[in-house]
Amino acid sequence: GQQLNQSPQSMFIQEGEDVSMNCTSSSIFNTWLWYKQDPGEGPVLLIALYKAGELTSNGRLTAQFGITRKDSFLNISASIPSDVGIYFCAGRNAGGTSYGKLTFGQGTILTVHP
Amino acid sequence: DSGVTQTPKHLITATGQRVTLRCSPRSGDLSVYWYQQSLDQGLQFLIQYYNGEERAKGNILERFSAQQFPDLHSELNLSSLELGDSALYFCASSVGPGEAYEQYFGPGTRLTVT
Repeated sequence: GQQLNQSPQSMFIQEGEDVSMNCTSSSIFNTWLWYKQDPGEGPVLLIALYKAGELTSNGRLTAQFGITRKDSFLNISASIPSDVGIYFCAGRNAGGTSYGKLTFGQGTILTVHP
Repeated sequence: DSGVTQTPKHLITATGQRVTLRCSPRSGDLSVYWYQQSLDQGLQFLIQYYNGEERAKGNILERFSAQQFPDLHSELNLSSLELGDSALYFCASSVGPGEAYEQYFGPGTRLTVT
């Protein structure tokens, strides 16, 4: 089945630093999404990308849909303590029996030191 | 708050037992998805319903079943529970069944099997 490799597994940074994480897939996706999960909560959608090459921003977050459709990255600029959490990439295919099924990466645990 | 509600928040039960997890989608959403999150497997898609009908199946065990009722709430039934079934179970909902509709996750049910 499809697998997503997300890296790094964890990051420890100082407040104010920029962060970059990425996801690669063994197969093509039509949509890439980035979610954030806080302890004890469900994943919250941060950014959705629908076209290869697309670059989208949401405040201090920027994400890109790779040209090959097999990868995506997420950047967080000027990190703040509330950025702490687990970030997940997810890929989605269209049609067939997949419908809206999401395939998730393993997650990146982000710790921000004040 | 995503608007998706899940009950109960926590559930502790013994091996061999059966439990039912409940999900109410966001107002207006017709599609419901169930995901399992465990330390070793990460976030895995289980099953999807749209307007009462099953639309897609993922890595769902035969001991697990789900349904979506006419009022659009959904229940995930887990039977003959094993220690390895201990996990967070998330429900997500979207307006439609396919790839054009983003999924919003509930807060999850933490299942502990002892």
